[in-house]
Amino acid sequence: DAGVIQSPRHEVTEMGQEVTLRCKPISGHNSLFWYRQTMMRGLELLIYFNNNVPIDDSGMPEDRFSAKMPNASFSTLKIQPSEPRDSAVYFCASSFRWTSENNEQFFGPGTRLTVL
Amino acid sequence: AQKITQTQPGMFVQEKEAVTLDCTYDTSDPSYGLFWYKQPSSGEMIFLIYQGSYDQQNATEGRYSLNFQKARKSANLVISASQLGDSAMYFCAMREGGSSGSARQLTFGSGTQLTVLP
Repeated sequence: DAGVIQSPRHEVTEMGQEVTLRCKPISGHNSLFWYRQTMMRGLELLIYFNNNVPIDDSGMPEDRFSAKMPNASFSTLKIQPSEPRDSAVYFCASSFRWTSENNEQFFGPGTRLTVL
Repeated sequence: AQKITQTQPGMFVQEKEAVTLDCTYDTSDPSYGLFWYKQPSSGEMIFLIYQGSYDQQNATEGRYSLNFQKARKSANLVISASQLGDSAMYFCAMREGGSSGSARQLTFGSGTQLTVLP
């Protein structure tokens, strides 16, 4: 199993540009999570999906952020326009849906975003 | 109020010794799960161990064990026989509730940076 796949691994862009981060969850997982990690704020949940449907997007910082999951094997997180304060590592994680058992979230390697 | 509190920003341990990383949590939900993740300097998040709120016994996974004290709302991670490769950031996380069929998000603590000394 390839695990959760994220691309790109590193992204450097200029303020005002659009940034799109991509995630492929583990096959068979039907919950997907986007997190952001910074030194100041630690790990924050941005949004999560169950069966491709957004369940909770209360962590999305502002309207500049949007996320989609058009099918079970692909999700995007878009920032438009990007700002320097968006610089962070963005993680995608996936898990099985049911919570009655130990269903840890499997994390991707992260995308390190730098907005100049 | 913080839902997950890790009071040790940094810890040092001698190689081959045991170390305990503290984690306290706050929830009014009777059903919850507690997780520990390891984040080495390479950045990936690695799942280590899980404890369910209804589990009668403390969870163990190899050299990792979880000292679960429900009344105190603590879920400390114990690493036995520390190795140099254990040097990393360690995060405690909690998932609250969860009706069958509904995945819930994890809430993470601020982490503890563990350094294993040779």
